[in-house]
Amino acid sequence: DAMVIQNPRYQVTQFGKPVTLSCSQTLNHNVMYWYQQKSSQAPKLLFHYYDKDFNNEADTPDNFQSRRPNTSFCFLDIRSPGLGDAAMYLCATSRQRGSNSPLHFGNGTRLTVT
Amino acid sequence: RKEVEQDPGPFNVPEGATVAFNCTYSNSASQSFFWYRQDCRKEPKLLMSVYSSGNEDGRFTAQLNRASQYISLLIRDSKLSDSATYLCVVNGLGRYSTLTFGKGTMLLVSP
Repeated sequence: DAMVIQNPRYQVTQFGKPVTLSCSQTLNHNVMYWYQQKSSQAPKLLFHYYDKDFNNEADTPDNFQSRRPNTSFCFLDIRSPGLGDAAMYLCATSRQRGSNSPLHFGNGTRLTVT
Repeated sequence: RKEVEQDPGPFNVPEGATVAFNCTYSNSASQSFFWYRQDCRKEPKLLMSVYSSGNEDGRFTAQLNRASQYISLLIRDSKLSDSATYLCVVNGLGRYSTLTFGKGTMLLVSP
């Protein structure tokens, strides 16, 4: 089945220790997104790639970076995780950007910062 | 005003009840509207798109009121398996019109 896969499902890192979360898709969608969701809050868009074109949300901290080496893979790098970065990180894809293109989510990576 | 606002929850209803969720959005130029369902500690999943004329999928009915910038989701004959958080999603104000999520309304259906 075509899908969006995130690894790992659970990630524990130490305060300040860089961590990378990965996402792959077999849907061949043009757009890949990273969302951060904290408990009882809405998923918050961090950035997205439209093909190779990277787009950062204005309020995404510099601590968060992303790479998309090819259509299928996208990575989220957190350079110096703080306690406030503990959250569920959701990767999503869509065929096109914006209107009428619903999002297909991976099952998320739950990040714990100790 | 927040971009997407939803009824605060949780909603506690018995099996078989009808329940309605409301959502308002701030961008009058928004064109795309969706309801997503999110189970506890899982990823959001698309429940249904919302069309101007309103649309129905089994026990679920979604409606859009552009004049009031308001979306609703009606669930009839609630099942235990409907217990989840329902997220209202609208294409937003940003440059690329990406989708913006509401905080969600939690539904708890009890026997």
